[in-house]
Amino acid sequence: DQQVKQNSPSLSVQEGRISILNCDYTNSMFDYFLWYKKYPAEGPTFLISISSIKDKNEDGRFTVFLNKSAKHLSLHIVPSQPGDSAVYFCAASAIQGAQKLVFGQGTRLTINP
Amino acid sequence: DTGVSQDPRHKITKRGQNVTFRCDPISEHNRLYWYRQTLGQGPEFLTYFQNEAQLEKSRLLSDRFSAERPKGSFSTLEIQRTEQGDSAMYLCASSFSLRVTGYTFGSGTRLTVV
Repeated sequence: DQQVKQNSPSLSVQEGRISILNCDYTNSMFDYFLWYKKYPAEGPTFLISISSIKDKNEDGRFTVFLNKSAKHLSLHIVPSQPGDSAVYFCAASAIQGAQKLVFGQGTRLTINP
Repeated sequence: DTGVSQDPRHKITKRGQNVTFRCDPISEHNRLYWYRQTLGQGPEFLTYFQNEAQLEKSRLLSDRFSAERPKGSFSTLEIQRTEQGDSAMYLCASSFSLRVTGYTFGSGTRLTVV
């Protein structure tokens, strides 16, 4: 079963506009959520995270929103830049125990000049 | 520290051969994880170590897979009698326990079984 889902395999956005990437999860035991960015031939790189006790976390151009009742989170990038073109993975974890990450399938973001 | 290092970056092997990958984590990290990523999917958890102890293994890790972390430093992942379905990117990550955001991934080893 896919506990973390990213239903959009790809997204194309104009440079300078807002990019919104979405993620849904099913397991209520998850209490920590992360976004990773991945370039080809590199490992995933941590971008931003949010604890389940918050509904918003902001870091520069990146903001993550968490809607626990809907089991939904989103990543907003504004303004989008060409260097943001990459595959973005949503991941979920439980802070206790192994802290293993459960990843979504990824969304390929392309920023057009 | 240069981050998490994985070797080799690429491996092509014939079906039925054994392969071994190495991961060198960030030195102060006590946790080490192995993940596998296939095309079009996100990384999937395989196993993790806290220091030298292997504390959890996914059901994805069949009997042909074995991982070790002697002395709590580097780790090896061995696949015996490789099958074409083993073709994937194998990712290693390390972290310091109690800090989920401290995960650092290596660049991975891409395995192709022909």
